[in-house]
Amino acid sequence: KNEVEQSPQNLTAQEGEFITINCSYSVGISALHWLQQHPGGGIVSLFMLSSGKKKHGRLIATINIQEKHSSLHITASHPRDSAVYICAVRGSNYKLTFGKGTLLTVNP
Amino acid sequence: DVKVTQSSRYLVKRTGEKVFLECVQDMDHENMFWYRQDPGLGLRLIYFSYDVKMKEKGDIPEGYSVSREKKERFSLILESASTNQTSMYLCASSLPRGLHTGELFFGEGSRLTVL
Repeated sequence: KNEVEQSPQNLTAQEGEFITINCSYSVGISALHWLQQHPGGGIVSLFMLSSGKKKHGRLIATINIQEKHSSLHITASHPRDSAVYICAVRGSNYKLTFGKGTLLTVNP
Repeated sequence: DVKVTQSSRYLVKRTGEKVFLECVQDMDHENMFWYRQDPGLGLRLIYFSYDVKMKEKGDIPEGYSVSREKKERFSLILESASTNQTSMYLCASSLPRGLHTGELFFGEGSRLTVL
């Protein structure tokens, strides 16, 4: 079974700061997802990666398959970025293994 | 705009009641999932369906059953609700593995309290 570890568990930043959230996993995967969950519950898929790097607006996700590690970066952070960010990995079947999430608070 | 809709955002039920949680997606996705989310435990898969009338148990199926009679609808059933089933329940859908996305689309969640 894949173990997914996220760090940090909690992160507080000032508006405008560059933010990095990390995700490590123990077993080889076919894809890695980054998800965002705002208070109230709804989850939005930010990225799905199997190699390299993806960028969407101020968000950048990278993955290093050899090191079994992914990072989510937020440039010029804003209070509306405050949310829980969840890493999830997919093995050879449909099942995802989820990290416990990183709670990000961006203060104005 | 793609959409996964869960029938109830908040429910309060009594121990022993039968509970139905409904999920509908409008994207013609084959795969549908039911997860529960608890503090400190993250999301855990209850059941998965990869086609109409097809289902597979996830990691924590005990106390739950599911129904997928139509492609767009996936129901989670608690036959006899218990207090340890108080949780946030999240439905998701996706295209099958092997197609170009595999991206997950989630509903808004249903927060169930069992008294």
